[in-house]
Amino acid sequence: SQKIEQNSEALNIQEGKTATLTCNYTNYSPAYLQWYRQDPGRGPVFLLLIRENEKEKRKERLKVTFDTTLKQSLFHITASQPADSATYLCALNSGGYQKVTFGTGTKLQVIP
Amino acid sequence: EAQVTQNPRYLITVTGKKLTVTCSQNMNHEYMSWYRQDPGLGLRQIYYSMNVEVTDKGDVPEGYKVSRKEKRNFPLILESPSPNQTSLYFCASSPTGTGSSGVGYTFGSGTRLTIV
Repeated sequence: SQKIEQNSEALNIQEGKTATLTCNYTNYSPAYLQWYRQDPGRGPVFLLLIRENEKEKRKERLKVTFDTTLKQSLFHITASQPADSATYLCALNSGGYQKVTFGTGTKLQVIP
Repeated sequence: EAQVTQNPRYLITVTGKKLTVTCSQNMNHEYMSWYRQDPGLGLRQIYYSMNVEVTDKGDVPEGYKVSRKEKRNFPLILESPSPNQTSLYFCASSPTGTGSSGVGYTFGSGTRLTIV
């Protein structure tokens, strides 16, 4: 069956370090992989989208990699700040953009 | 301000009483979608719409209906709500249904629905 796993429910990291979050999937052939940030009681906010033929995407302090052989995406936040503390969700679109499956998220806590 | 607006934000209602959660976007987006979010299960797609009068089922459509009569609106209808539909609901939109824009989904602020 299709499955998306985000490496851990929670991740604590010291301010200034690089946070690395993992999204693994099985039995998908995603055309796109997206990352979102969600704060408590709020809707997810889009961060980055990477296509199946792209290896890496960057936006400011954020970097996403996409390895379709390993069936894995890594999401990096460099020089992490307490304001980066939130839950981060990965989402896969397979067979087009219309249908999407979200992971359950990793809660990141950046400690000052 | 570009946004997706859901109403109501909170609703407590009783089993079997029909309800509608409204969703409206002001970005002229073609694609709209509904999700429910439950602890431990994450966001699950209920229905989506590629454009006016074009809707299709997501992963958990049972017990829900949608319509897309206008581009900006995509209401979620629960004809006979049951307690297992108690959840946090999100509406989202995107410029197209193809991902070609490279832009993800814009989500609303959510509707917390409790059915007793």
